[in-house]
Amino acid sequence: IQLTQSPSLLSASVGDRVTLSCKGSQNINNYLAWYQQKLGEAPKLLIYKTNSLQTGIPSRFSGSGSGTDYTLTISSLHSEDLATYYCYQYNNGLTFGSGTKLEIK
Amino acid sequence: QVQLKESGPGLVQPSQTLSLTCTVSGLSLTSNSVSWIRQPPGKGLEWMGVIWSNGGTDYNSAIKSRLSISRDTSKSQVFLKMNSLQTEDTAMYFCARMYYGYYFDYWGQGVMVTVSS
Repeated sequence: IQLTQSPSLLSASVGDRVTLSCKGSQNINNYLAWYQQKLGEAPKLLIYKTNSLQTGIPSRFSGSGSGTDYTLTISSLHSEDLATYYCYQYNNGLTFGSGTKLEIK
Repeated sequence: QVQLKESGPGLVQPSQTLSLTCTVSGLSLTSNSVSWIRQPPGKGLEWMGVIWSNGGTDYNSAIKSRLSISRDTSKSQVFLKMNSLQTEDTAMYFCARMYYGYYFDYWGQGVMVTVSS
């Protein structure tokens, strides 16, 4: 399954509501996770099974979607959310999207 | 707490074999699966392969012919060997625990490997 993330680059202001998109080439059956990777660090798991928040992750992060289309939403952007975000599917094989780089205006 | 740490040479010559070690603590390899994931500089993440809790392995079809993953459960270590390295194999290599074979919840810090003569 190929994953297409959009946009590839997003610039937003602190306090904004931000939405990142991930589209699969086939049905993912909700087996989708989201990772946050800050510069020079390993990826961190944010969301698994489409909308389950990993322990310790702030509640401003949420996930939704079904079928081939999934979304990561940050309800109110914080400066520390500067990072690249990757979606990842584990329904059929294991693949990552190409990432969305989130910049703070 | 669960920790993973990668180790290995920072520089490998083209056509040579890469050997990396992932040392884990806070979990048992006989009940946990560990994957290797790599990331070329400035690019995205690529899943390479997994060693399951039962010792079986699965590999990314794109690199399967060059890759081998094994483990030593007594030392809590997972090993990656990849042969015929080329410059495009230059990347940060991560090991990560796979939660029930689904997603990666614990990651090592990564080890940078450069393929160059």
